[in-house]
Amino acid sequence: DAGVIQSPRHEVTEMGQEVTLRCKPISGHNSLFWYRQTMMRGLELLIYFNNNVPIDDSGMPEDRFSAKMPNASFSTLKIQPSEPRDSAVYFCASSLTGDTLSSYNSPLHFGNGTRLTVT
Amino acid sequence: DAKTTQPNSMESNEEEPVHLPCNHSTISGTDYIHWYRQLPSQGPEYVIHGLTSNVNNRMASLAIAEDRKSSTLILHRATLRDAAVYYCILRGEETSGSRLTFGEGTQLTVNP
Repeated sequence: DAGVIQSPRHEVTEMGQEVTLRCKPISGHNSLFWYRQTMMRGLELLIYFNNNVPIDDSGMPEDRFSAKMPNASFSTLKIQPSEPRDSAVYFCASSLTGDTLSSYNSPLHFGNGTRLTVT
Repeated sequence: DAKTTQPNSMESNEEEPVHLPCNHSTISGTDYIHWYRQLPSQGPEYVIHGLTSNVNNRMASLAIAEDRKSSTLILHRATLRDAAVYYCILRGEETSGSRLTFGEGTQLTVNP
Protein backbone atom coordinates (compact mmCIF):
# COMPACT_ATOMS: atom_id res chain seq x y z
CA ASP A 1 0.00 0.00 0.00
CA ALA A 2 1.32 3.43 -0.92
CA GLY A 3 0.06 5.01 2.25
CA VAL A 4 -1.52 8.45 2.47
CA ILE A 5 -0.35 10.57 -0.43
CA GLN A 6 -0.18 14.34 -0.19
CA SER A 7 0.67 16.85 -2.86
CA PRO A 8 2.52 19.03 -3.35
CA ARG A 9 5.33 18.32 -0.87
CA HIS A 10 6.32 21.96 -0.87
CA GLU A 11 4.38 25.05 -1.83
CA VAL A 12 5.65 28.59 -1.89
CA THR A 13 3.19 31.33 -2.70
CA GLU A 14 2.64 35.02 -2.26
CA MET A 15 0.21 36.54 0.17
CA GLY A 16 -3.25 36.82 -1.31
CA GLN A 17 -2.94 33.84 -3.62
CA GLU A 18 -5.15 30.79 -3.47
CA VAL A 19 -3.54 27.58 -2.28
CA THR A 20 -4.94 24.07 -2.71
CA LEU A 21 -3.50 21.09 -0.87
CA ARG A 22 -4.42 17.59 -1.92
CA CYS A 23 -4.71 14.28 -0.16
CA LYS A 24 -5.34 10.72 -1.27
CA PRO A 25 -6.21 8.50 1.71
CA ILE A 26 -5.40 4.83 1.99
CA SER A 27 -7.82 2.80 -0.09
CA GLY A 28 -10.68 1.48 2.02
CA HIS A 29 -10.25 4.00 4.82
CA ASN A 30 -13.40 5.95 5.60
CA SER A 31 -12.14 8.68 7.92
CA LEU A 32 -9.89 11.53 6.87
CA PHE A 33 -8.23 14.18 8.99
CA TRP A 34 -6.44 17.44 8.17
CA TYR A 35 -3.83 18.70 10.67
CA ARG A 36 -1.57 21.73 10.73
CA GLN A 37 1.79 21.86 12.49
CA THR A 38 3.72 24.97 13.51
CA MET A 39 6.49 25.54 16.03
CA MET A 40 4.27 27.79 18.10
CA ARG A 41 1.10 25.71 18.20
CA GLY A 42 2.26 22.17 17.52
CA LEU A 43 -0.10 19.75 15.76
CA GLU A 44 -3.66 21.04 15.48
CA LEU A 45 -6.67 19.24 14.03
CA LEU A 46 -8.38 21.40 11.44
CA ILE A 47 -11.20 19.18 10.24
CA TYR A 48 -12.16 15.57 9.91
CA PHE A 49 -14.49 13.63 7.63
CA ASN A 50 -16.25 10.35 8.09
CA ASN A 51 -17.65 8.64 5.00
CA ASN A 52 -16.93 11.83 3.03
CA VAL A 53 -19.04 13.97 5.38
CA PRO A 54 -17.40 16.70 7.51
CA ILE A 55 -17.93 15.77 11.15
CA ASP A 56 -15.97 18.40 13.03
CA ASP A 57 -14.57 21.57 11.47
CA SER A 58 -14.18 23.50 14.70
CA GLY A 59 -10.42 23.65 14.18
CA MET A 60 -10.64 25.49 10.88
CA PRO A 61 -9.06 28.88 11.63
CA GLU A 62 -11.40 31.11 9.67
CA ASP A 63 -13.47 31.44 6.55
CA ARG A 64 -10.39 31.60 4.39
CA PHE A 65 -9.97 27.87 4.95
CA SER A 66 -12.23 25.30 3.34
CA ALA A 67 -12.01 21.54 2.92
CA LYS A 68 -13.84 19.15 0.66
CA MET A 69 -14.04 15.43 0.19
CA PRO A 70 -15.89 14.80 -3.09
CA ASN A 71 -15.28 11.05 -2.93
CA ALA A 72 -13.64 8.42 -0.77
CA SER A 73 -10.29 8.69 -2.49
CA PHE A 74 -9.65 12.42 -2.57
CA SER A 75 -9.74 15.48 -0.35
CA THR A 76 -8.62 19.08 -0.71
CA LEU A 77 -7.80 21.84 1.73
CA LYS A 78 -8.03 25.30 0.22
CA ILE A 79 -6.80 28.59 1.59
CA GLN A 80 -8.08 31.72 -0.10
CA PRO A 81 -6.60 34.24 0.23
CA SER A 82 -3.43 32.96 1.84
CA GLU A 83 -1.54 34.94 4.49
CA PRO A 84 2.00 34.63 5.88
CA ARG A 85 0.63 33.28 9.19
CA ASP A 86 -0.72 30.28 7.27
CA SER A 87 2.85 29.08 6.76
CA ALA A 88 3.03 25.62 8.30
CA VAL A 89 3.24 21.94 7.51
CA TYR A 90 -0.16 20.51 6.69
CA PHE A 91 -0.76 16.82 7.28
CA CYS A 92 -3.50 14.58 6.05
CA ALA A 93 -4.31 11.32 7.82
CA SER A 94 -6.77 8.51 7.25
CA SER A 95 -8.15 5.62 9.25
CA LEU A 96 -10.69 2.84 9.04
CA THR A 97 -13.50 3.29 11.51
CA GLY A 98 -16.62 1.22 11.86
CA ASP A 99 -18.70 1.33 14.97
CA THR A 100 -18.05 3.83 17.71
CA LEU A 101 -15.77 1.54 19.68
CA SER A 102 -13.49 0.86 16.75
CA SER A 103 -13.19 4.61 16.19
CA TYR A 104 -11.07 4.83 19.31
CA ASN A 105 -8.97 1.85 18.35
CA SER A 106 -8.18 2.48 14.72
CA PRO A 107 -4.78 4.08 14.24
CA LEU A 108 -4.38 7.12 12.04
CA HIS A 109 -2.01 6.86 9.10
CA PHE A 110 -0.37 10.15 8.23
CA GLY A 111 1.06 11.42 4.99
CA ASN A 112 4.41 13.16 4.82
CA GLY A 113 2.80 16.57 4.73
CA THR A 114 2.84 19.68 2.59
CA ARG A 115 5.18 22.43 3.70
CA LEU A 116 3.47 25.72 2.87
CA THR A 117 5.34 29.00 2.83
CA VAL A 118 3.41 32.20 2.24
CA THR A 119 5.57 35.25 1.60
CA ASP B 1 -10.14 17.01 26.76
CA ALA B 2 -8.36 14.84 29.32
CA LYS B 3 -4.74 15.90 29.38
CA THR B 4 -1.54 13.94 29.38
CA THR B 5 1.75 15.04 30.89
CA GLN B 6 5.08 13.97 29.45
CA PRO B 7 8.67 15.09 30.06
CA ASN B 8 9.82 17.56 27.43
CA SER B 9 12.92 15.55 26.60
CA MET B 10 14.78 12.34 27.36
CA GLU B 11 18.10 10.88 26.36
CA SER B 12 19.16 7.31 25.81
CA ASN B 13 22.10 5.36 24.50
CA GLU B 14 21.90 3.15 21.48
CA GLU B 15 20.95 -0.47 22.15
CA GLU B 16 19.72 0.32 25.66
CA PRO B 17 16.06 0.17 26.75
CA VAL B 18 14.08 3.38 26.94
CA HIS B 19 11.11 4.00 29.21
CA LEU B 20 8.99 6.97 28.21
CA PRO B 21 6.49 7.97 30.92
CA CYS B 22 3.08 9.55 30.56
CA ASN B 23 0.72 10.75 33.27
CA HIS B 24 -3.01 10.92 32.61
CA SER B 25 -4.63 11.27 36.00
CA THR B 26 -7.99 12.45 34.58
CA ILE B 27 -8.39 9.52 32.21
CA SER B 28 -11.97 8.29 31.86
CA GLY B 29 -13.00 4.66 31.87
CA THR B 30 -13.52 4.53 28.12
CA ASP B 31 -10.29 6.27 27.08
CA TYR B 32 -7.71 4.36 25.12
CA ILE B 33 -4.05 5.30 25.55
CA HIS B 34 -2.37 5.85 22.21
CA TRP B 35 1.27 6.50 21.40
CA TYR B 36 2.52 8.07 18.21
CA ARG B 37 5.94 9.27 17.23
CA GLN B 38 7.18 11.80 14.72
CA LEU B 39 10.55 11.46 13.08
CA PRO B 40 12.19 14.58 11.64
CA SER B 41 10.48 15.85 8.47
CA GLN B 42 7.84 13.13 8.57
CA GLY B 43 4.24 12.80 9.61
CA PRO B 44 3.31 11.20 12.92
CA GLU B 45 3.50 7.42 13.00
CA TYR B 46 1.34 5.09 15.10
CA VAL B 47 3.32 3.11 17.67
CA ILE B 48 0.92 1.29 19.99
CA HIS B 49 -2.26 1.64 22.00
CA GLY B 50 -4.03 -0.05 24.90
CA LEU B 51 -6.94 0.18 27.29
CA THR B 52 -6.15 -1.69 30.51
CA SER B 53 -3.74 -4.53 29.84
CA ASN B 54 -0.11 -4.25 28.84
CA VAL B 55 0.43 -4.50 25.10
CA ASN B 56 3.33 -5.61 22.94
CA ASN B 57 3.97 -5.21 19.25
CA ARG B 58 6.99 -5.29 16.98
CA MET B 59 7.80 -1.65 17.69
CA ALA B 60 7.35 -1.32 21.43
CA SER B 61 5.60 -2.35 24.62
CA LEU B 62 3.03 -0.38 26.55
CA ALA B 63 2.81 -0.79 30.29
CA ILE B 64 -0.37 0.61 31.85
CA ALA B 65 -0.63 1.24 35.57
CA GLU B 66 -3.33 -0.65 37.43
CA ASP B 67 -5.25 2.58 38.17
CA ARG B 68 -4.68 3.68 34.54
CA LYS B 69 -3.47 7.09 35.65
CA SER B 70 -0.10 6.59 34.04
CA SER B 71 1.54 4.53 31.35
CA THR B 72 5.02 3.84 30.02
CA LEU B 73 6.13 3.26 26.47
CA ILE B 74 9.06 0.87 26.37
CA LEU B 75 11.51 0.66 23.51
CA HIS B 76 13.48 -2.49 24.26
CA ARG B 77 16.65 -1.59 22.35
CA ALA B 78 16.89 1.98 21.16
CA THR B 79 18.38 2.64 17.77
CA LEU B 80 19.40 5.93 16.21
CA ARG B 81 16.28 5.69 14.09
CA ASP B 82 14.14 5.87 17.24
CA ALA B 83 15.14 9.51 17.79
CA ALA B 84 11.81 11.30 17.48
CA VAL B 85 9.10 13.16 19.36
CA TYR B 86 6.85 10.69 21.16
CA TYR B 87 3.24 11.64 21.86
CA CYS B 88 1.00 10.05 24.45
CA ILE B 89 -2.66 10.68 23.60
CA LEU B 90 -5.98 9.72 25.14
CA ARG B 91 -8.74 8.78 22.77
CA GLY B 92 -12.28 7.93 23.73
CA GLU B 93 -15.90 8.92 23.61
CA GLU B 94 -15.74 11.36 26.51
CA THR B 95 -12.31 12.71 25.74
CA SER B 96 -11.91 13.39 22.09
CA GLY B 97 -14.08 11.10 20.03
CA SER B 98 -12.34 9.92 16.91
CA ARG B 99 -9.93 12.83 16.98
CA LEU B 100 -6.31 12.66 18.06
CA THR B 101 -5.35 15.69 20.12
CA PHE B 102 -1.58 16.07 20.24
CA GLY B 103 0.28 17.65 23.13
CA GLU B 104 3.92 18.67 23.11
CA GLY B 105 5.31 15.16 23.46
CA THR B 106 8.75 13.97 24.55
CA GLN B 107 11.77 14.61 22.36
CA LEU B 108 13.88 11.44 22.55
CA THR B 109 17.57 11.74 21.74
CA VAL B 110 19.50 8.53 21.13
CA ASN B 111 23.26 8.72 21.55
CA PRO B 112 25.52 6.41 19.53
